[in-house]
Amino acid sequence: DGGITQSPKYLFRKEGQNVTLSCEQNLNHDAMYWYRQDPGQGLRLIYYSQIVNDFQKGDIAEGYSVSREKKESFPLTVTSAQKNPTAFYLCASSGGGETQYFGPGTRLLVL
Amino acid sequence: SQQGEEDPQALSIQEGENATMNCSYKTSINNLQWYRQNSGRGLVHLILIRSNEREKHSGRLRVTLDTSKKSSSLLITASRAADTASYFCAPYTGRRALTFGSGTRLQVQP
Repeated sequence: DGGITQSPKYLFRKEGQNVTLSCEQNLNHDAMYWYRQDPGQGLRLIYYSQIVNDFQKGDIAEGYSVSREKKESFPLTVTSAQKNPTAFYLCASSGGGETQYFGPGTRLLVL
Repeated sequence: SQQGEEDPQALSIQEGENATMNCSYKTSINNLQWYRQNSGRGLVHLILIRSNEREKHSGRLRVTLDTSKKSSSLLITASRAADTASYFCAPYTGRRALTFGSGTRLQVQP
């Protein structure tokens, strides 16, 4: 099946800990995106990558980092500098820069 | 900001009724897209309307676009309980990633 997978579904972070959220796609899409969604809110863009080995900051990049070493993978690290990380994180990809296909999301909670 | 703003924020209707959601945006666009999000899930693309189109249909969905007013509407006809979800519009300028507003939360009562 083609699609986007995110893991884990739930992730718990301790104070001062870095955690990494996984996003993998087998749609052969060039572009990938990370969004953050707070309860009852819309999506805010964290980082996006239009091609391998290149990525750009979105609207709320502080406290987050990404890498794009492979076309299929775009992991997001939530660093200890992100003081309010509790949210629902969504990964997406697109082939022609228009329609985006979303993964099922990872819910990050702070212990 | 290039994100759309949906109106109303929340909408509650009975099964079988029509649901209309509106979207306003601020910049010139290449196209405008509508997405649906079921609670706790990822977004699903519903329909895309290009800037040179005024109306588009897909099943029970009807989307209109008025570029002079920078607005769009999504009509869901003969709604079902399974249509209960949040709906987001996403104006696309071609310059960056899509951005999303807070959405319209639709509740369809059985």
